[in-house]
Amino acid sequence: DAKTTQPNSMESNEEEPVHLPCNHSTISGTDYIHWYRQLPSQGPEYVIHGLTSNVNNRMASLAIAEDRKSSTLILHRATLRDAAVYYCILRDDRTSGTYKYIFGTGTRLKVLA
Amino acid sequence: EPEVTQTPSHQVTQMGQEVILRCVPISNHLYFYWYRQILGQKVEFLVSFYNNEISEKSEIFDDQFSVERPDGSNFTLKIRSTKLEDSAMYFCASSESEPNTEAFFGQGTRLTVV
Repeated sequence: DAKTTQPNSMESNEEEPVHLPCNHSTISGTDYIHWYRQLPSQGPEYVIHGLTSNVNNRMASLAIAEDRKSSTLILHRATLRDAAVYYCILRDDRTSGTYKYIFGTGTRLKVLA
Repeated sequence: EPEVTQTPSHQVTQMGQEVILRCVPISNHLYFYWYRQILGQKVEFLVSFYNNEISEKSEIFDDQFSVERPDGSNFTLKIRSTKLEDSAMYFCASSESEPNTEAFFGQGTRLTVV
């Protein structure tokens, strides 16, 4: 699985938008970009995923660069509950048979009241 | 909302003892996984299970580990002879049959080996 690079930590004020970047310069054509988060003392939780086009769901938006070498997870209005470690993971969803995730160290998001 | 359930939430065991960690995946899911997270470290893949057999395992998943789906609803991880370094959070996850779908993780079992 291709490697991703994320900042170790970021801070945001409550009710403001947050943009969490992820670099993946060695992404292959069959790699999907998945985002998970892990709240304190909990298991990882799915946030969003995409291949080429930008994606929106009730939790967040995913903006994918045209060359796919980077992406940004956007939380439109951060709340205290969004404080977590956010993981950007590449996974080959077209040829992989097991669909496992390889987690990195992620970005620890602090939300300030 | 459907969820993955893990029991117990915390298990303390003596070194050398066998432990079984239990998981109830989401009912219509077909892919099952175990991950672990040592305190302060990354979430690590252990094993994936599909169609009643292991489809992939990591280097961590040595002969001391085994998985089973004994009754069509439970998914278990057995550690035959626990070591101090097995102390970690163990997460079970499941996903549907198609690719390009997300995995649902349980809340984890904290295993403490003393």
